[in-house]
Amino acid sequence: AQKITQTQPGMFVQEKEAVTLDCTYDTSDPSYGLFWYKQPSSGEMIFLIYQGSYDQQNATEGRYSLNFQKARKSANLVISASQLGDSAMYFCAMREGLRETSGSRLTFGEGTQLTVNP
Amino acid sequence: DSGVTQTPKHLITATGQRVTLRCSPRSGDLSVYWYQQSLDQGLQFLIQYYNGEERAKGNILERFSAQQFPDLHSELNLSSLELGDSALYFCASSVGGRGQFFGPGTRLTVL
Repeated sequence: AQKITQTQPGMFVQEKEAVTLDCTYDTSDPSYGLFWYKQPSSGEMIFLIYQGSYDQQNATEGRYSLNFQKARKSANLVISASQLGDSAMYFCAMREGLRETSGSRLTFGEGTQLTVNP
Repeated sequence: DSGVTQTPKHLITATGQRVTLRCSPRSGDLSVYWYQQSLDQGLQFLIQYYNGEERAKGNILERFSAQQFPDLHSELNLSSLELGDSALYFCASSVGGRGQFFGPGTRLTVL
């Protein structure tokens, strides 16, 4: 069964510094996708970044990058130049299989609460 | 704004009642997913529809049912509500598999 582990319940970072949020996963399926979401206190789930298991390069989206280490089964999120608005809960998620037609449920970790200090 | 819409935003009801949550996916997305987020269980997958057909089922209770209509909007029906059903219910949609985009959620409170 697929499993996502986020070992940091809470993280603190100074504004303008970089921060890494850890995520490890477990799956026996060679085809999978990894996702990161941001959930601010208002409750919405904001999609940040995606990495497919066969992608050759680490995904980047603006200030977000995903440090994908396949052999270690880790998919850490790096946020560069933190801003006060980055304070939120961050969830790592995985989908086994790459085709949405065959069933593409996301399994989520427990989340990391990030606080950015001024 | 993800492009996924959900109504209503908030719902307060009593135990034993039945409610319907509605979701409209992003334009062009064929898949709709329903998730439940509660304090004790975290984010849990409930069910997925793809172009009107059920494709995957998670920990969805028998009291809950869903469907996706020809115009691709989806409804999640929750019946015989219990206190423990109080949660944030999300709908998400996708096409192509490289992202699932979540709606703003419906916060259900069962009193």
